[in-house]
Amino acid sequence: QKEVEQNSGPLSVPEGAIASLNCTYSDRGSQSFFWYRQYSGKSPELIMSIYSNGDKEDGRFTAQLNKASQYVSLLIRDSQPSDSATYLCAAGSSGTYKYIFGTGTRLKVLA
Amino acid sequence: DGGITQSPKYLFRKEGQNVTLSCEQNLNHDAMYWYRQDPGQGLRLIYYSQIVNDFQKGDIAEGYSVSREKKESFPLTVTSAQKNPTAFYLCASRSGNTIYFGEGSWLTVV
Repeated sequence: QKEVEQNSGPLSVPEGAIASLNCTYSDRGSQSFFWYRQYSGKSPELIMSIYSNGDKEDGRFTAQLNKASQYVSLLIRDSQPSDSATYLCAAGSSGTYKYIFGTGTRLKVLA
Repeated sequence: DGGITQSPKYLFRKEGQNVTLSCEQNLNHDAMYWYRQDPGQGLRLIYYSQIVNDFQKGDIAEGYSVSREKKESFPLTVTSAQKNPTAFYLCASRSGNTIYFGEGSWLTVV
């Protein structure tokens, strides 16, 4: 069973701090990795995608991928109360275009 | 504007009824997906379609059916065989390696 594991949280950080969200995956054949933000009662919204080992930065967001450790993370700098949401990690299975989602980490940014 | 449109947003189903959730996209994407999300759980794949007139079962296809007669449309029918259909249903389409979601449909059994 291919899985993506996330800590359900909640992860509470003060406003302006760095929030660090983590994810591990079981399928070594996964080639693509994604972070989605989901507000309560809404659909997931893509934040970042990452395909290669290392860091990828986009504004306040940095995704990190380590394929050897099968580990993906998302850093949110200067966290804002509007960042409070559930963050879903997803891995794309190679060749099948099927995507496995984690259960999400709930982030609370305290004003 | 381009996007993925799901309807209805809220739907109530009586026991023993079939209901159909609509998903339309004008993004010219070939691949489309249906996911189910239960409270506190991740997204689980119901069906996906890589191309018109072709679709594959996902991890939880029992009690569901789909069709893909047009590139733009991928409707999902929740049949009476689905014993616990109350959930948030998400349609998605794929561009390159990335999937994008519609706004979702809430289905409640009454």
